[in-house]
Amino acid sequence: EIVLTQSPGTLSLSPGERATLSCRASQSVSRNYLAWYRQKPGQAPSLLIHSASSRAAGIPDRFSGSGSGTDFTLTISRLEPEDFAVYYCQQYGTSPLTFGGGTKVEIK
Amino acid sequence: EVQVVESGGGLVQPGGSLRLSCAASGFTFSSYWMSWVRQAPGKGLEWVANIKQDESEKYYVDSVRGRFTISRDNAENSLYLQMNSLRAEDTAMYYCARGRGWLDSWGQGTLVTVSS
Repeated sequence: EIVLTQSPGTLSLSPGERATLSCRASQSVSRNYLAWYRQKPGQAPSLLIHSASSRAAGIPDRFSGSGSGTDFTLTISRLEPEDFAVYYCQQYGTSPLTFGGGTKVEIK
Repeated sequence: EVQVVESGGGLVQPGGSLRLSCAASGFTFSSYWMSWVRQAPGKGLEWVANIKQDESEKYYVDSVRGRFTISRDNAENSLYLQMNSLRAEDTAMYYCARGRGWLDSWGQGTLVTVSS
């Protein structure tokens, strides 16, 4: 199975700052079938990005995804209060679907 | 509004069984693959199983294959997960989600606790 490694484990930033989250795959992700989710405390995950760089419906443009092959990045251009949460990447190009271990974005 | 609502979780002894349900609304349920994803307390996400629109394809993570069965009733707009031979390591919040690859709508989850 494809193992996804997210870094850093925790990111301490202030509102308005830029966040850069990394997701590295143990092998190439087929067709760049990679998604990003945000999970706020006590809530279910919600889809942000699919196909590595396509924003899901209703997602603001401060969220952007990039990358290909084994290296992917989620960038949040200016952190809003609701963005302090845990972020997961997920690959769906190869069965089984797998998730990364998550990056927590916390208030500095 | 797209909505999925899970139910059926609870406390069960090791070796026991539980059936989870997911009620869907706000979209044409019969047109979508559906999935179950779980999250152990304080841990990350783990995909469990998914099912094609007509039930002709079903896939499972290795750790549950042979113990869990995913099914659906398109007439009732419902998704199910039959869980048998439950183990302590199955303790988790179980989420129902729409989709096969990326998962674009999630329920709030139902908690399953396996303990004696």
